[in-house]
Amino acid sequence: ETGVTQTPRHLVMGMTNKKSLKCEQHLGHNAMYWYKQSAKKPLELMFVYNFKEQTENNSVPSRFSPECPNSSHLFLHLHTLQPEDSALYLCASSSLAGGYQETQYFGPGTRLLVL
Amino acid sequence: GIQVEQSPPDLILQEGANSTLRCNFSDSVNNLQWFHQNPWGQLINLFYIPSGTKQNGRLSATTVATERYSLLYISSSQTTDSGVYFCAVWTQGAQKLVFGQGTRLTINP
Repeated sequence: ETGVTQTPRHLVMGMTNKKSLKCEQHLGHNAMYWYKQSAKKPLELMFVYNFKEQTENNSVPSRFSPECPNSSHLFLHLHTLQPEDSALYLCASSSLAGGYQETQYFGPGTRLLVL
Repeated sequence: GIQVEQSPPDLILQEGANSTLRCNFSDSVNNLQWFHQNPWGQLINLFYIPSGTKQNGRLSATTVATERYSLLYISSSQTTDSGVYFCAVWTQGAQKLVFGQGTRLTINP
């Protein structure tokens, strides 16, 4: 298996549920990212991890909690979400974070619906 | 912060037609990338092109950094070219990729 994978691909959850999104990269990269893509809005960067350390939190509400146990895996833990959090959540990776020459490679996304 | 504007927002063409997508940005950039998002949500890298011209098959891109715009050309369009095309730029100020709103391209058979 190559590239960046994400599971699940689709998720429906209630506002009181707790769920987790998983991302795995098989590219040997050291940086991983979470993006949110809402309808009619540009992709928004949520979190950046570089060598397992969080280097950016783009003012994301605490109901989103990231976890990066190693350079190949990234999780996004979700709890008490709101309907406006429904979106496509994309994971990406690159060799390093913070470098303008870095190309980011994206996973297929998890389409989340909060009821 | 930097503004990234893409035009047109929507484009509908017949198979075989050529198209030009534009990306304007409001500040100097260190990096510019073009992506294609297919109907299933997958974002695919097309070009890393902070300046100059590159070609890959039926696709080519040109960035004129001094005039703050980039163009993506698609020739002999195929239905599989349908999807949303995003331009994203990196600036020293933002220290992250900033995406435009995208151009939704529909190629009809």
